[in-house]
Amino acid sequence: DAGVIQSPRHEVTEMGQEVTLRCKPISGHNSLFWYRQTMMRGLELLIYFNNNVPIDDSGMPEDRFSAKMPNASFSTLKIQPSEPRDSAVYFCASSSPSGRYEQYFGPGTRLTVT
Amino acid sequence: QKEVEQNSGPLSVPEGAIASLNCTYSDRGSQSFFWYRQYSGKSPELIMFIYSNGDKEDGRFTAQLNKASQYVSLLIRDSQPSDSATYLCAVRDTGRRALTFGSGTRLQVQP
Repeated sequence: DAGVIQSPRHEVTEMGQEVTLRCKPISGHNSLFWYRQTMMRGLELLIYFNNNVPIDDSGMPEDRFSAKMPNASFSTLKIQPSEPRDSAVYFCASSSPSGRYEQYFGPGTRLTVT
Repeated sequence: QKEVEQNSGPLSVPEGAIASLNCTYSDRGSQSFFWYRQYSGKSPELIMFIYSNGDKEDGRFTAQLNKASQYVSLLIRDSQPSDSATYLCAVRDTGRRALTFGSGTRLQVQP
């Protein structure tokens, strides 16, 4: 079975540009999580969805960040405008309604903002 | 603010030894606990989860949970150089599906 799919795997952009990260959760999973990982702050939860509905976006750093989940198989995380301090690895994870809350991670998107 | 604390390491052990990784958490109501392994440049990979007090064994890995002390640990027996990675402890937040992650312990297994 396919795992969590993320695209792009690498993104290099200039400050001020819009960045869109994409995620396809594991089929049948109904919870989706967006994380950001940096050396300084570790793995931080940005937002999570349950049944396509945003449940907690308290980790979204500021209004420049937005996330959507239009259907059960697709989610986006958008940064507009991007800043150098947004450079990090962004992970998407999903979990099953029948599991014990374990999350499975995608390969991540390494974002560099110059 | 829920917290999950881990020693950042590095924890260095010789090949064949037992590696012991520890984690404490602040949310007394937490019920589910997870260990993830993350190789450099890769994503976190689930290796163990535990819900009940006591030990849970899976191959060379043993997770130990003590809810009274708010302490969870991971033992790796017969450590191999391929076990060298960062190990992340995660705790499910009470009443939510979200996990809070520790900052990870870097393990180095010396050949």
